[in-house]
Amino acid sequence: SQQGEEDPQALSIQEGENATMNCSYKTSINNLQWYRQNSGRGLVHLILIRSNEREKHSGRLRVTLDTSKKSSSLLITASRAADTASYFCATDLNTGNQFYFGTGTSLTVIP
Amino acid sequence: DAMVIQNPRYQVTQFGKPVTLSCSQTLNHNVMYWYQQKSSQAPKLLFHYYDKDFNNEADTPDNFQSRRPNTSFCFLDIRSPGLGDAAMYLCATSTVFRSGANVLTFGAGSRLTVL
Repeated sequence: SQQGEEDPQALSIQEGENATMNCSYKTSINNLQWYRQNSGRGLVHLILIRSNEREKHSGRLRVTLDTSKKSSSLLITASRAADTASYFCATDLNTGNQFYFGTGTSLTVIP
Repeated sequence: DAMVIQNPRYQVTQFGKPVTLSCSQTLNHNVMYWYQQKSSQAPKLLFHYYDKDFNNEADTPDNFQSRRPNTSFCFLDIRSPGLGDAAMYLCATSTVFRSGANVLTFGAGSRLTVL
């Protein structure tokens, strides 16, 4: 990929469980963002964490960032069937205008 | 509602027949992007415009060109589509998030089939 790898590639959980997906990237960044993509649609921005932050929360989402390991994780708590989608991390390097996406995690939440 | 609109949503072309995909935005964002996304893969940045300044990715084939005649519109031209160019093409724009970082707003995508 241009910038990052995500794991797992696919994740299947029961409704109500938590889902954790991980992202690793290659170079220094300004910030890291997570996006969601429903099948056959465009991506939607979920949450952003700056390079000087270690953890961020937004509703049922929790993001962590470890710049020493060049990695991030996205936790979705109390998952719902509507959370079924692909999730991508994106980094903007230091240029601020070029965004590169990780390989994505396909999440299936079983009702 | 302010948004990013891509047309057509589905495009079928023949091998070697030029195709143009369009993107319009009502957000007045100064940066516009084109990404290529093949099945079950990550979106791959092809190029972006910062205002009128064109920025090509080093690994984007010459077969892909872009035009931005004004702030609102951006076009992706594929001069001679090959079977390997079948993909979803995503247009995005960016603005400065309230904390100072840019985030992307995507259109719904244009799915290209090459016969």
